[in-house]
Amino acid sequence: SAVISQKPSRDICQRGTSLTIQCQVDSQVTMMFWYRQQPGQSLTLIATANQGSEATYESGFVIDKFPISRPNLTFSTLTVSNMSPEDSSIYLCSVVAVGFQETQYFGPGTRLLVL
Amino acid sequence: AQKITQTQPGMFVQEKEAVTLDCTYDTSDPSYGLFWYKQPSSGEMIFLIYQGSYDQQNATEGRYSLNFQKARKSANLVISASQLGDSAMYFCAMREGGTGGSYIPTFGRGTSLIVHP
Repeated sequence: SAVISQKPSRDICQRGTSLTIQCQVDSQVTMMFWYRQQPGQSLTLIATANQGSEATYESGFVIDKFPISRPNLTFSTLTVSNMSPEDSSIYLCSVVAVGFQETQYFGPGTRLLVL
Repeated sequence: AQKITQTQPGMFVQEKEAVTLDCTYDTSDPSYGLFWYKQPSSGEMIFLIYQGSYDQQNATEGRYSLNFQKARKSANLVISASQLGDSAMYFCAMREGGTGGSYIPTFGRGTSLIVHP
């Protein structure tokens, strides 16, 4: 399995500001994803982070609001830009260990509260 | 249509008893994988168990087992000998396409499990 760390683990931010979340994996993985989980809801995929190229965004999510970088196979960042209270969620980094079972593993998440 | 359905928003179980969390799925792809995750109040998503569509036997991992009924398209999670630490949200997920297919699973809405002492 892959060990994933995220920073920060939680933050309280003012509306209109931006926050960058970092995701670090202990091994090289092919697939990295970013999810959002709003309070009391299931997981929603924001985008697939592609190494060295622009992320692939799901419907309803745009690069201007959620810019993503992935400079190498073990690291990615997600920025939540121009935040509003509706952005208050848990943001989860996820990776797929391609191969046996191709299980998707998740980081510990970043709890974001926007005031 | 929902691809993953978890009909139990909340479940209660006595400590040391077994509990079954329901999950039904919908796919026309013959190759798929089914996953269960646990999310405690801390927010992290913990992988519990995996079942492949071609697996002949039900998956087991310690106290977790997956009751896979392919014809009924159900993949229920059974937790034996419940512990207080099992109190959490549980999510069922399905990934279609098998090896080389889409790596992005679809998640159900989750079931909240509370274990009583």
